[in-house]
Amino acid sequence: QVQLQESGPGLLKASETLSLTCAVSGDSIKTNYYWCWIRQPPGKGLEWIGSIYHSGKTYSHASVKSRVTLSVDTSNNQFSLKLTSVTAADTAFYYCARLVEVGANHFDFWGRGTLVTVSS
Amino acid sequence: QMTQSPSTLSASVGDRVTITCRASQSISTWLAWYQQKPGKAPKVLIYKTSTLESGVPSRFSGSGSGTEFTLTISNLQPDDFATYYCQQFGTFGQGTKVEIK
Repeated sequence: QVQLQESGPGLLKASETLSLTCAVSGDSIKTNYYWCWIRQPPGKGLEWIGSIYHSGKTYSHASVKSRVTLSVDTSNNQFSLKLTSVTAADTAFYYCARLVEVGANHFDFWGRGTLVTVSS
Repeated sequence: QMTQSPSTLSASVGDRVTITCRASQSISTWLAWYQQKPGKAPKVLIYKTSTLESGVPSRFSGSGSGTEFTLTISNLQPDDFATYYCQQFGTFGQGTKVEIK
């Protein structure tokens, strides 16, 4: 069974950099999937942030593209998100997830999520 | 852009409910549906418009083509009261909360 687990600071101040890591177990990160970040402000809907392949190929949402860095660490079977210059609008639950892209396009395994709060 | 309706739906156990997701332009069949309960991560129910994810009860079904897609829950069960989202590539619908009437 594939499991994903997010980790990182839960409280940031405005203008700081958000850094989260997603540890993957039960599957190699070098398989034919994209590994993704999705966020959800409390009480609101889901927003895809970006996706990374084990080769390092990335895609990210236009709204955060200038602030986002995605990276993958195949040695430790994990991938990471950095989001610079955060504001209160970046306060959200952050989920990592696996994207099935071959013959489909959906997120089949998700982490439990971690709440990141940005204070002013 | 994916427009989901209704935003809230009140129903009773045993009801048949339908949630609609409309795309701003014709899309492929790569549409998925998720269920999310409070404090939990979303869970995929259906992908590629109508394929049921392994382990998901058969009372869930999906259909559609072009710009209009639907998720139907027949014989609504107590465990089904939750929020549902459609997804196509990097875009999610706004969500539909299914509440107890």
